[in-house]
Amino acid sequence: GAGVSQSPRYKVTKRGQDVTLRCDPISSHATLYWYQQALGQGPEFLTYFNYEAQPDKSGLPSDRFSAERPEGSISTLTIQRTEQRDSAMYRCASSLGTVDNGELFFGEGSRLTVL
Amino acid sequence: AQSVTQLGSHVSVSEGALVLLRCNYSSSVPPYLFWYVQYPNQGLQLLLKYTTGATLVKGINGFEAEFKKSETSFHLTKPSAHMSDAAEYFCAVKSGYNKLIFGAGTRLAVHP
Repeated sequence: GAGVSQSPRYKVTKRGQDVTLRCDPISSHATLYWYQQALGQGPEFLTYFNYEAQPDKSGLPSDRFSAERPEGSISTLTIQRTEQRDSAMYRCASSLGTVDNGELFFGEGSRLTVL
Repeated sequence: AQSVTQLGSHVSVSEGALVLLRCNYSSSVPPYLFWYVQYPNQGLQLLLKYTTGATLVKGINGFEAEFKKSETSFHLTKPSAHMSDAAEYFCAVKSGYNKLIFGAGTRLAVHP
């Protein structure tokens, strides 16, 4: 696509429910990133993919968080048994290369509110 | 470990005035440094980056930043602010192989 597309833009859920967020990156981009941004803070790294491989998932806060990119294009981020502290903006980005030799293109984000 | 500190969560300037947004970093290796901007209801976009070479880096929309190793700083400047510069600005440093560590951001307001 022309840009990085994320859905849903807004999600309100009750504590304990599972949620899945979706990211559709720029079609030519091999690398896809997920970041979490709490209110008043900068984005924090969660994980990234190189095509379907997931070399680094060190930023995932707990085993309730998982991400996949099975065909090397669209990615999903799933949060199981949501907690109020999971409320945040979840940002997806894609790039041709790495963070230093490429440029990250960010989507508009998915804002998650856990009641 | 790498980290970034942005001094001032909010900065307000008059249109036409100098813009100065401060960023200090901590890095155990030669740093790769970035400034990203977020306009309202949009995703973050790259303004400029420093990897190696010239320490004064020019970016889009008239912004520039200077890498000063002795001061561990990478401040963002623009000689003359425009109303369209109102946005949130994030400084970032590369960590590990392919990860960015972002600062908390500085929201820039430009008033007539």
